[in-house]
Parts: sequence; C-alpha cells; structure tokens
Amino acid sequence: DSGVTQTPKHLITATGQRVTLRCSPRSGDLSVYWYQQSLDQGLQFLIQYYNGEERAKGNILERFSAQQFPDLHSELNLSSLELGDSALYFCASSARTAAETQYFGPGTRLLVL
Amino acid sequence: GQQVMQIPQYQHVQEGEDFTTYCNSSTTLSNIQWYKQRPGGHPVFLIQLVKSGEVKKQKRLTFQFGEAKKNSSLHITATQTTDVGTYFCAASGGSYIPTFGRGTSLIVHP
Repeated sequence: DSGVTQTPKHLITATGQRVTLRCSPRSGDLSVYWYQQSLDQGLQFLIQYYNGEERAKGNILERFSAQQFPDLHSELNLSSLELGDSALYFCASSARTAAETQYFGPGTRLLVL
Repeated sequence: GQQVMQIPQYQHVQEGEDFTTYCNSSTTLSNIQWYKQRPGGHPVFLIQLVKSGEVKKQKRLTFQFGEAKKNSSLHITATQTTDVGTYFCAASGGSYIPTFGRGTSLIVHP
C-alpha cells in the first residue's frame, strides 16, 4: 500500500459525458501528479500540483482540468469524453518535487462507451 | 521535447536466466528513476540514479547510469517468477518532470 488513495476504482460512462477522479496523497506529501496510461501511449504525464498551485503541465488535453484543494487532495476532471479517453488514470504524490520518489495510487480505470 | 526509448518491449526468460532492460534519452538527464508495475497493479518506485556512471544494487537488481547521463540499464540476475512485471524508466531533464519509457515487460517461465 503506497498511502495514495484514488476513487473510484472503475468508471464506465458514455461519450460526451464528464467525470471527476479523486486522489488523496500520502500524508505529508505536497505534490500530486496525474498520469494517463493506455496501451498505445504508455504512461503519460498530465499535470502536477504543488501545495495547491499548478506546477507543471504535460500532455493534458484542454477538455481535461485538475485542481488541488487546501487539504491537498486533488481532482481530475475529464469532460466531453471520447472513446480514446478510455485508459487507466494514476495519481502519484511526492514530498515536494518530481525529482523525489513518486508514490502511485491504485489508479482509476475509465471506460468510455 | 525529451524522448526516452526503452528496449526491449518484451522479454521472455526461463527462470534463473538474467534479464536486462535499457533506457536511452535524446538529451542529458538530471536523474533517472526506475519503476516496476506488476500485472494489474500500479508503478512502484525502485530506485533513483543521479550521478554520472552511478551503479546501485538491490539484491539481484543492478542499476546503472551512463557516463554521459543519457542512458541507463536495469539488470536482474537469476530471474524468479516474482520478477514478472513491466519495468519503466522515468527520465528527468531540467524541468524534473519525468518522461516515462514505454516499459519492458518481463515474462518469466518456470
């Protein structure tokens, strides 16, 4: 158990819909990262938040957005969903920076039908 | 942008054989991390390499960082069935945001 929790574990929805994925980092970790893992693209970095502020952006679509709240939990919002958004979404946390160990949560498996 | 190539994509070995996966970057790296993901699981951090030419060992696993800090390798001696999974390198440049390789899936036949 990494100490990072993610909900829900599985999500099935339809194209055009909007979903919210939730992540709670390890106790004491200030940075949260979101990744998308699909068979054809591998593990792709989406976005990083540090202590409530956006720190770095990766290959995140404009339809996707995220935020980190004062209690340090984070949410990833995916809107206008397309079939190609079906993937495993991981949240990870680290103490401060990406240069440190990242602890991954169990992931949310999203299926868009 | 930074590109990371990891080879091979798959490796089948008989239990007891050695295994090596290689990670190559197009740019000089600040550090490289290695992760293992078991089937159905999430990536788990194994190690971080920072110094040029660095070699670190964890039991049967040996990690190396190239002298030019552009490549790295993970070598497993005498594989066991518990070694099954996908091994990822995550390479960081100046921004420290890691670029993950596509991973090498290790299949160990008993």
